[in-house]
Amino acid sequence: GENVEQHPSTLSVQEGDSAVIKCTYSDSASNYFPWYKQELGKGPQLIIDIRSNVGEKKDQRIAVTLNKTAKHFSLHITETQPEDSAVYFCAASIGAGGGADGLTFGKGTHLIIQP
Amino acid sequence: DAGIIQSPKHEVTEMGQTVTLRCEPIFGHNFLFWYRDTFVQGLELLSYFRSRSIIDNAGMPTERFSAERPDGSFSTLKIQPAEQGDSAVYVCASRLASPSVTKFFGPGTRLTVL
Repeated sequence: GENVEQHPSTLSVQEGDSAVIKCTYSDSASNYFPWYKQELGKGPQLIIDIRSNVGEKKDQRIAVTLNKTAKHFSLHITETQPEDSAVYFCAASIGAGGGADGLTFGKGTHLIIQP
Repeated sequence: DAGIIQSPKHEVTEMGQTVTLRCEPIFGHNFLFWYRDTFVQGLELLSYFRSRSIIDNAGMPTERFSAERPDGSFSTLKIQPAEQGDSAVYVCASRLASPSVTKFFGPGTRLTVL
């Protein structure tokens, strides 16, 4: 089955600096890669996703890059702000044709924004 | 725009008791998922439904865990009997049927077993 590795487990950056979280996946058939942000006491919320037919996607201060050959994808947050502090999860999935649901999560990165 | 509703928000119980957690998915979402978040293992998929049918419950840790979705709308996750190691946040998610794979997550139920 799919295996998703996520690094680092904890990341501390100064406010205003950039943060990068990296994930690798094992199943070359995976074609959907969402990122979730989980704030304390809340469930994970989808913040951005990318499909395997594109290499990069950007939404304001957040961007995700995908390297299918190397089977890794990364989340980039620029100009970090205190409200970016949370646990971030990457995931990989094979598309939802049929009944299979292969969304596999990384173990999460605790992002700490230092004021 | 109603999101996923999970109840209760917090549950504190004692070992040996029966715990029932409830999830109401986003209206119209055919797929419903139960995850456990222990913050050590991250999010683990326990089981998921398509309509009222269980598609996969291989992630259920033991036979003490069971999930139902009797009419294809809300779902319950039951732990019977609860053990201290079951303490975690249980998160429900839902999504539309294919081709969409975007999942939406609920706020979770924090379970503490004393």
